[in-house]
Amino acid sequence: NAGVTQTPKFQVLKTGQSMTLQCAQDMNHEYMSWYRQDPGMGLRLIHYSVGAGITDQGEVPNGYNVSRSTTEDFPLRLLSAAPSQTSVYFCASSYSISRPSYNEQFFGPGTRLTVL
Amino acid sequence: ILNVEQSPQSLHVQEGDSTNFTCSFPSSNFYALHWYRWETAKSPEALFVMTLNGDEKKKGRISATLNTKEGYSYLYIKGSQPEDSATYLCAPYKLIFGTGTRLQVFP
Repeated sequence: NAGVTQTPKFQVLKTGQSMTLQCAQDMNHEYMSWYRQDPGMGLRLIHYSVGAGITDQGEVPNGYNVSRSTTEDFPLRLLSAAPSQTSVYFCASSYSISRPSYNEQFFGPGTRLTVL
Repeated sequence: ILNVEQSPQSLHVQEGDSTNFTCSFPSSNFYALHWYRWETAKSPEALFVMTLNGDEKKKGRISATLNTKEGYSYLYIKGSQPEDSATYLCAPYKLIFGTGTRLQVFP
């Protein structure tokens, strides 16, 4: 199994550009999520999905869109990039988040995004 | 937004020292706490999951305890080694992480 994969690994955008960060998992996990990592702030949840066709907002959803058309894929779209979105983005997946599941999350390698 | 605090933010210890750090969280609606280890330039990896008040878990020199009534968990590292250098994250609510404790162990 490849686990959780993310592309690209690095990206530089200009303010106002749009792009999609790709995330895929081959573990048949129900749950997928997107986090951003900023210095001193740990991992902050952007959006998550509990299954195909179902998404919800996390702590910091503004400026990002997601969709989950298949179990495997969970792309994150930046609609109009801003310098405040410069960050490292991690995608994660888990078998389930419903009680009484205690399954841990598996993380992708991250995408380092710089917005100029 | 659930407030998950980890302390200290960073820690520098000498090889061989034992150390511990704390994860504090609101105890209402708790059902499981995960600890993750996050090495620089890598992705977080799960260490433990704990669910019951009083739970203790151990993995080699690393152990953890859980108090759900007062809303905290401790992570202990006995005889720290340079390879223990990492950021340790707790997630008392599956989707929400603390800000982490960054541990550096010097030879």
